[in-house]
Amino acid sequence: QSALTQPASVSGSPGQSITISCTATSSDVGGYNFVSWYQHHPGKAPKLMIYDVSSRPSGVSDRFSGSKSGNTASLTISGLQAEDESDYYCSSLTRNNTLLFGGGTKLTVL
Amino acid sequence: EVQLVESGGGLVQPGGSLRLSCAASGFPVSSNYMNWVRQAPGKGLEWLSIIYTGGSTYYADSVKGRFTIARDSSKNTLYLQMNSLRAEDTAVYFCARDEPRAMGYAMDVWGQGTPVTVSS
Repeated sequence: QSALTQPASVSGSPGQSITISCTATSSDVGGYNFVSWYQHHPGKAPKLMIYDVSSRPSGVSDRFSGSKSGNTASLTISGLQAEDESDYYCSSLTRNNTLLFGGGTKLTVL
Repeated sequence: EVQLVESGGGLVQPGGSLRLSCAASGFPVSSNYMNWVRQAPGKGLEWLSIIYTGGSTYYADSVKGRFTIARDSSKNTLYLQMNSLRAEDTAVYFCARDEPRAMGYAMDVWGQGTPVTVSS
C-alpha cells in the first residue's frame, strides 16, 4: 500500500475543472515539498506535468496547476479537454532519498 | 533531440539475471540524475533507483540488494543490472532523466520502455 493516497478515479465534463488529491500517510515523505505529477497514457511514456509542488515544465499547458496544503498535494486541471483523459500519478521524495509514487488516478472526461 | 532508448528486456526464468540498457542522446547521462521506473501489468508506476551525477545511488526496498544502477559515460548509457529475478519483477521498465531545475526528483525525459517477463 502506497504511502501516497490518491482517489482511484475522478471524472468531469469538457470545460470543467477537476482536482486530484495526493495525501501523504507516512512521515517518510518529510516536509512534502517535492511533489511531482505525471500524466500516463497506457502504452506510452509518462509525462511530467508538475514538479516541486507547483512548478510547470516548459511546454505543459497552464491549464495544469499544482498546490499543497498540509500533507495533501493537489493537481488541478481547468478547462477540461477530451485529451486530458489519462492516468495521473503523484510522487514525492522521501527522507531516505528514494521516491514514492501514489497509486494513480484514472481521469475520465465525460 | 533529447531522447532515451531502452533495450535488453525479454523473457527470463525465476532466479535469473538481465541487464537493461538505456542509450541517451542529446544530453550527457553523467551530468544528470538518472532513474529507473517500472510498471507491472495492471499496476501503477513504481520507482526503482536513481544515480546522482556524483555517483551516489539509491534503491527502492523492493529491489535493494538485487538490482544495480550504473552508467557508462563513454557510451552515454544508463544500465540496470537485475539479479535474482522473481515473477513479481515482471513489468515494463522505463529509464528517465531528472528535470535539472527540480529540487526534488522529477522525471522530464522518459524512454519508451522495455518489457521484462519473469516466468518458467
